[in-house]
Amino acid sequence: DTAVSQTPKYLVTQMGNDKSIKCEQNLGHDTMYWYKQDSKKFLKIMFSYNNKELIINETVPNRFSPKSPDKAHLNLHINSLELGDSAVYFCASSQGQGSHEQYFGPGTRLTVT
Amino acid sequence: SQELEQSPQSLIVQEGKNLTINCTSSKTLYGLYWYKQKYGEGLIFLMMLQKGGEEKSHEKITAKLDEKKQQSSLHITASQPSHAGIYLCGAGDPSNTGKLIFGQGTTLQVKP
Repeated sequence: DTAVSQTPKYLVTQMGNDKSIKCEQNLGHDTMYWYKQDSKKFLKIMFSYNNKELIINETVPNRFSPKSPDKAHLNLHINSLELGDSAVYFCASSQGQGSHEQYFGPGTRLTVT
Repeated sequence: SQELEQSPQSLIVQEGKNLTINCTSSKTLYGLYWYKQKYGEGLIFLMMLQKGGEEKSHEKITAKLDEKKQQSSLHITASQPSHAGIYLCGAGDPSNTGKLIFGQGTTLQVKP
């Protein structure tokens, strides 16, 4: 019954590795987002997709690449992980492209050692 | 670019006490959104304010947006341990992208 789910919940990896985080929503929403929350709890938008089309692409290193195979899924792939990538990554979804009422997943805590 | 500042950054209150969290924007707000985050979980949408002077309530939580649409407050009456968490205010971007710009959050602890 989980509305927005993310896997894995925890991810510990070494610098230089490539990893992916998966997100799925069963709400029938058109738009999905990726946010990054740093160690100071500051939450910042990274990307958004509407019906598989990239809408928001904030100033994020090219090592981060979102992929949306269908409107219910938005995955985040990170290449060549760095220490500074350690954070909690949240996926979210909303009914429409311009909606600020967003439904968040539980987050994926990424630790890069 | 728009920035939101929340105060206080953290708050510890005794159960049953009232409290207020403030959110100040560097620019006029198109829309202001309050979210709550419990430890280890995602954010939960609480309320949306769009009109100057607007006030909304849900159970014991009341949020207000000032007339100039640059400041919002979140007031909790008779706090309970279930109110504990991180409260974030978010500014809606008018670009129709759904972009939210968040404040740094206010961590609330409620002591039983």
